[in-house]
Amino acid sequence: DIDMTQSPSSLSASVGDRVTVTCRASQSISRYLNWYQQKPGKAPKLLIYTASDLESGVPSRFSGSGSGTDFTLTISSLQPEDSATYYCQQSFSNPRTFGQGTRVEI
Amino acid sequence: QVQLHESGPRLVKPGETLSLTCTISGGSIGNYYWGWIRQPAGKGLEWIGRTSSSGRTYYNASLETRVTMSVDTSKNQFSLRLSSVTVADTAVYYCARDSYEGIHWGQGILVTVSS
Repeated sequence: DIDMTQSPSSLSASVGDRVTVTCRASQSISRYLNWYQQKPGKAPKLLIYTASDLESGVPSRFSGSGSGTDFTLTISSLQPEDSATYYCQQSFSNPRTFGQGTRVEI
Repeated sequence: QVQLHESGPRLVKPGETLSLTCTISGGSIGNYYWGWIRQPAGKGLEWIGRTSSSGRTYYNASLETRVTMSVDTSKNQFSLRLSSVTVADTAVYYCARDSYEGIHWGQGILVTVSS
């Protein structure tokens, strides 16, 4: 199985800050890396697919980058509604695996 | 925009079989993989497995001996069966469309295993 490791596990930032979350795969996954946002009591929501493609309807302040084993999710200007837990997930092989999550507090 | 909706018993006794169905609306079950993911309260996401519309399946090895997924193309539905459940199987279960371009999720259903 491919292990996905996110860092940090949690962070606190202010409105308007630039926030970066990293995700590392235990082996190369090309660009098959997706990012999700989950708010309490809700299903995860796809933000970024295949490392850097923005899902329709997702604000442009969210962006993704990386390939191989190292990936980054960036929120360019943090907004109050961005308070959530963020997960990375590899879609390179089965079983699909997720990072442990990064809790973003504002 | 495809929408997914989970249904099934919300309370299952230990040792029994958990059975859930996902109904797809706004799209066809064909040409995609459909899967299940679960999340115990306060914990992370665990991928259970996925099935194609033709019935090709991939399961998480940790659950493989207890999991069965199936598809009913006539009803635009797919299903999950998890046998011999224990309290550790208590979780929110999500059905999903699972592709290389990410996962699109149902709203989730809380299933509690308790006597």
